[in-house]
Amino acid sequence: EDQVTQSPEALRLQEGESSSLNCSYTVSGLRGLFWYRQDPGKGPEFLFTLYSAGEEKEKERLKATLTKKESFLHITAPKPEDSATYLCAVQAGNNDMRFGAGTRLTVKP
Amino acid sequence: DAGVIQSPRHEVTEMGQEVTLRCKPISGHDYLFWYRQTMMRGLELLIYFNNNVPIDDSGMPEDRFSAKMPNASFSTLKIQPSEPRDSAVYFCASSFLSGTEAFFGQGTRLTVV
Repeated sequence: EDQVTQSPEALRLQEGESSSLNCSYTVSGLRGLFWYRQDPGKGPEFLFTLYSAGEEKEKERLKATLTKKESFLHITAPKPEDSATYLCAVQAGNNDMRFGAGTRLTVKP
Repeated sequence: DAGVIQSPRHEVTEMGQEVTLRCKPISGHDYLFWYRQTMMRGLELLIYFNNNVPIDDSGMPEDRFSAKMPNASFSTLKIQPSEPRDSAVYFCASSFLSGTEAFFGQGTRLTVV
């Protein structure tokens, strides 16, 4: 059965303190791995899509990487406005898109 | 495009009543997904459509739940009869192709009392 596991569940950082979020997955026939950001009371907002091991994508202070078993979302010098829940999702050969439980990030000034 | 549009944003209903949630996907998107989000279970995929056809409804919790997509620009999720444990935020999302990102609506917060 396809599984997506995110760690840690929650992460508290000081402003400027870089860190990484993990998403490990087991799927049959990965079509894509997706990172989303979700703010309270809103729908998930798309960040990145990764398709193959070794691929990397960057956007401002965020960088996503992918291996055959996991993905990392690296946050460099975070700011308080980066506080949100970060969700990882995988789309397998059967085309459905399944999400992990998310990492709740808090960045303190 | 205005993005994925869901209505209503909030719904409070009494146990036993019928509830209908509505979704307008992004024009040109071939895939439509319905999700339910709770603190305990996170984002759960309920059902998804491809070209208006339901492909996988294995996530629909019970026969009380049903979903339709009569055309490319409209989908509904119906709960009949509703129960307090159905209280959650329901999201609709759409994507252009398999393997591409899905875009989410703002969600419908359902409270069943």
